[in-house]
Amino acid sequence: GNSVTQMEGPVTLSEEAFLTINCTYTATGYPSLFWYVQYPGEGLQLLLKATKADDKGSNKGFEATYRKETTSFHLEKGSVQVSDSAVYFCALRDSSYKLIFGSGTRLLVRP
Amino acid sequence: NAGVTQTPKFQVLKTGQSMTLQCAQDMNHEYMSWYRQDPGMGLRLIHYSVGAGITDQGEVPNGYNVSRSTTEDFPLRLLSAAPSQTSVYFCASSYGAEWGGNSPLHFGNGTRLTVT
Repeated sequence: GNSVTQMEGPVTLSEEAFLTINCTYTATGYPSLFWYVQYPGEGLQLLLKATKADDKGSNKGFEATYRKETTSFHLEKGSVQVSDSAVYFCALRDSSYKLIFGSGTRLLVRP
Repeated sequence: NAGVTQTPKFQVLKTGQSMTLQCAQDMNHEYMSWYRQDPGMGLRLIHYSVGAGITDQGEVPNGYNVSRSTTEDFPLRLLSAAPSQTSVYFCASSYGAEWGGNSPLHFGNGTRLTVT
């Protein structure tokens, strides 16, 4: 079945460091791909999305490119801030509209 | 701008008790779903609905029931609570089939359930 695999956390960075969180997927067909972010005590919020191969999603300085050849959707940010500390989830949405999540990666940014 | 509203925020149950977690959305979304979030396991789909009167099972449906009598509401029922159902539960909704797979989910803020 369809699945999403994320790098395990926590990821600890200093402010202004470069961030990469790896995400790979297994799916039939052409799923849409998403990154969601969860701040403490809150529900998940959509961060960015890409709906077809080679699309780049971007928001708030975060970027991810849909790479069909490597079945990947890695999240990157050039300079993280303390306020980016959160849990990040990679997800895919298949043809049945079910959203399948990775296990989440906790990011901690230190001043 | 209510979005997706879940109640209650917190609940403690004894083993064997039943209860209903409420979820309502005011965005006229066709698609609604319930997830549970457990440490190290991400979010797992319990049940989902693609429209009023239509429901289906997700990955972990056992011990839970749902119904969808209106577009707005999608309650989740625990029939006989067990300690293994201690978790954080999230309701989420989105536009449906006409958006294909592109429509993102909108999440509620969750219900933290403890079963003792």
